[in-house]
Amino acid sequence: DTGVSQNPRHKITKRGQNVTFRCDPISEHNRLYWYRQTLGQGPEFLTYFQNEAQLEKSRLLSDRFSAERPKGSFSTLEIQRTEQGDSAMYLCASSLVPYEQYFGPGTRLTVT
Amino acid sequence: TQLLEQSPQFLSIQEGENLTVYCNSSSVFSSLQWYRQEPGEGPVLLVTVVTGGEVKKLKRLTFQFGDARKDSSLHITAAQPGDTGLYLCTPHDNYGQNFVFGPGTRLSVLP
Repeated sequence: DTGVSQNPRHKITKRGQNVTFRCDPISEHNRLYWYRQTLGQGPEFLTYFQNEAQLEKSRLLSDRFSAERPKGSFSTLEIQRTEQGDSAMYLCASSLVPYEQYFGPGTRLTVT
Repeated sequence: TQLLEQSPQFLSIQEGENLTVYCNSSSVFSSLQWYRQEPGEGPVLLVTVVTGGEVKKLKRLTFQFGDARKDSSLHITAAQPGDTGLYLCTPHDNYGQNFVFGPGTRLSVLP
């Protein structure tokens, strides 16, 4: 399978705990994106990497969120001190052409 | 700030019917992508339109980019239950650096 993979697929955590998600992009894609999607809405942009450089970060992203792509390959998204409002589907996408993104299946986070 | 709208928000039709969904922006954009998303999965890229007035066909799906490059439509002929999903549009500027998705049209095709 050469598509974008995300782990875990589901995560249930208690409020106040930290969580980390992983995204493995398509191998030759140098661009990687993170989005958040709540029920009934389109994906909301969180951040964007080109190779290992984080080039864009949404102003909506609080300081509790951090993303890394240490070697320009896989990426991690960490949420510290989770809140119930963080419950959502977290989507990762990668691309070679700037705007044609290939999405992973997402990680569904539930904060109780 | 770019305003991006999709209509209708929800659409429920019978198998075999035709339908059109729309994507409208307050700004001119250089290209636009349509995606379809099934429940519990990530969006899947359907098409990219680049030229104003462009029409692209993908089997029973016809995509049109408005002449003014501020709007786009997706027409489905003889809809099938497999077409059920959330249809999303996302426009981009000349640098391909716009990450805004529309709210989507949720389509349900009943057998």
